[in-house]
Amino acid sequence: DQQVKQNSPSLSVQEGRISILNCDYTNSMFDYFLWYKKYPAEGPTFLISISSIKDKNEDGRFTVFLNKSAKHLSLHIVPSQPGDSAVYFCAASEGFNKFYFGSGTKLNVKP
Amino acid sequence: EADIYQTPRYLVIGTGKKITLECSQTMGHDKMYWYQQDPGMELHLIHYSYGVNSTEKGDLSSESTVSRIRTEHFPLTLESARPSHTSQYLCASSEPKTGGWYNSPLHFGNGTRLTVT
Repeated sequence: DQQVKQNSPSLSVQEGRISILNCDYTNSMFDYFLWYKKYPAEGPTFLISISSIKDKNEDGRFTVFLNKSAKHLSLHIVPSQPGDSAVYFCAASEGFNKFYFGSGTKLNVKP
Repeated sequence: EADIYQTPRYLVIGTGKKITLECSQTMGHDKMYWYQQDPGMELHLIHYSYGVNSTEKGDLSSESTVSRIRTEHFPLTLESARPSHTSQYLCASSEPKTGGWYNSPLHFGNGTRLTVT
């Protein structure tokens, strides 16, 4: 059973606008969450993380929000740029154990 | 930033052949992982290692095997390739957590795209 879910396989956004990517999880013991970006034929690149003691973490244009009661994670990209077009994966782990990944959301930022 | 290298990038091979996918990292990370990913699907953990001479199977059943004789090297071997093994294979490593309560991010290589005909 999938413990991390990304229910939107794709998202299309206009350049300069906000991109919001969503992720849900089922395991309430997860305490560390990450977002990765992946271009075709390349490995995932780490973007941003958040621990369960926080509800927001910001790094430049990227902000991750964590809603523990809803078991929901989101990534905001503002402003979106064409170079942001890629597949975005969320991942979660409990303690120092292995990570579980979602199935990814393909973001297309239109010029 | 971790440097992690995978070879080959692309491999097309016939059924029944033995193959080894190479993965090396230069950061001295203890933890290393192999993930398998198909388009539109999540990454599935197939093997991991927490150090030299330590290997464990992941969540996804796999006919592959791994070894960890040196910290920097974590090769994956398929004794007899089949078309069902066609996939992208991603190697990753993470640094040890000295203090603190949370995990460390995985750093991925560029992957090997395997096609078995």
